[in-house]
Amino acid sequence: GIQVEQSPPDLILQEGANSTLRCNFSDSVNNLQWFHQNPWGQLINLFYIPSGTKQNGRLSATTVATERYSLLYISSSQTTDSGVYFCAVEGAGANNLFFGTGTRLTVIP
Amino acid sequence: GAVVSQHPSRVICKSGTSVKIECRSLDFQATTMFWYRQFPKQSLMLMATSNEGSKATYEQGVEKDKFLINHASLTLSTLTVTSAHPEDSSFYICSAINLGLNTEAFFGQGTRLTVV
Repeated sequence: GIQVEQSPPDLILQEGANSTLRCNFSDSVNNLQWFHQNPWGQLINLFYIPSGTKQNGRLSATTVATERYSLLYISSSQTTDSGVYFCAVEGAGANNLFFGTGTRLTVIP
Repeated sequence: GAVVSQHPSRVICKSGTSVKIECRSLDFQATTMFWYRQFPKQSLMLMATSNEGSKATYEQGVEKDKFLINHASLTLSTLTVTSAHPEDSSFYICSAINLGLNTEAFFGQGTRLTVV
């Protein structure tokens, strides 16, 4: 399967700070999604972004499919942003998602 | 976004018994559903893919006789952990997509299984 690497693995931010999370993948993909896993385990859809740039409030994402990476930007972070952020990709010829290793974000007041 | 409901959210069972977990798409038809397993502080690992009305496709290393998957309708898939053992204790999460629209996946709330 496709290899998906995320960086950094852990990130601690002061409330109000900005951050960039990176996702690298090893092959061409049909789909890429970013998720936030909250402390109860629920995966919350952030972006469905096989290519291009999208923004939703304080969050935005960019996928450069030709260079096999995606970035998630979090601006003016809040304590409620804490949790694990996963990038997941769908390879060509398959519909299932391969998950990255995740970035654990902690936002401190 | 679409809503996927998973039940139960938490279950404790005795070793040797079977547990059934349900995954329902509430407001869309799920042509394909997926079952994942997540160990503490690790990523999600795909266990199997199920298409409505056909047999599930299991990932390498996943015992199909132990993890029975049924996808009898476009809104319901079930995962049954048979003869559960303590090493089956984990967080199980389902997801669903509607291939007629796109391949954006939506996830259930997850089920935390503890086998004692």
